[in-house]
Amino acid sequence: DIQMTQSPSSVSASVGDRVTITCRASQGINNWLAWYQQRPGKAPKLLIYAASSLQSGVPSRFSGSGSGTDFTLTISSLQPEDFATYYCQQANSFPLFTFGPGTKVDIK
Amino acid sequence: QVQLVESGGGVVQPGGSLRLSCAASGFTFSSYGMHWVRQAPGKGLEWVSLTRYDGSNTYYADSVKGRFTISRDNSKNTLYLQMNSLRPEDTAVYYCAKGHDTSWYYFDYWGQGTLVTVSS
Repeated sequence: DIQMTQSPSSVSASVGDRVTITCRASQGINNWLAWYQQRPGKAPKLLIYAASSLQSGVPSRFSGSGSGTDFTLTISSLQPEDFATYYCQQANSFPLFTFGPGTKVDIK
Repeated sequence: QVQLVESGGGVVQPGGSLRLSCAASGFTFSSYGMHWVRQAPGKGLEWVSLTRYDGSNTYYADSVKGRFTISRDNSKNTLYLQMNSLRPEDTAVYYCAKGHDTSWYYFDYWGQGTLVTVSS
């Protein structure tokens, strides 16, 4: 099975900050990677798919990059509604999809 | 707009059974793969199961294989998850999720979730 790790596990940031979250796969997954945002008590929301494609309706301050084993999610200017937990998900090893453990972004 | 509404969660004893439903609207349900994903209290996300758009193929995580059965009724726009031989470690919020437009390997819409608690 492909294991996913994320770093950091949590980050404290201020409104307007640039935030970068890293996701690493235990083996190469090409660009079969998605990012999700989950606010407390809510369902996850798809932000990025295919490593760098922005999901319809998602603000352009979110961007994704990477290929192979190393990926990043960047929030260019953090907004109050962005305080949440972010998960990466690999979609390469069909059908055994796996998620990273999550990165919590909270208010500094 | 796309809506997914889960139901059927509750408290069940270890070894018991439960059937979850997910009512879909706002899209052509019969054209998309559909998933179940769960989240234990305070934990991360775990993919559980997938059915192809026509129900012809189903897939499961190792943790539920042989105990859970995913199915769908395209005439009712409804997805199901039959859960048997439930264990305490199955306690979680269960979400249904729609396969993405470009690839059903991603989950582009999620329901609000239904809580399953396995406890004596």
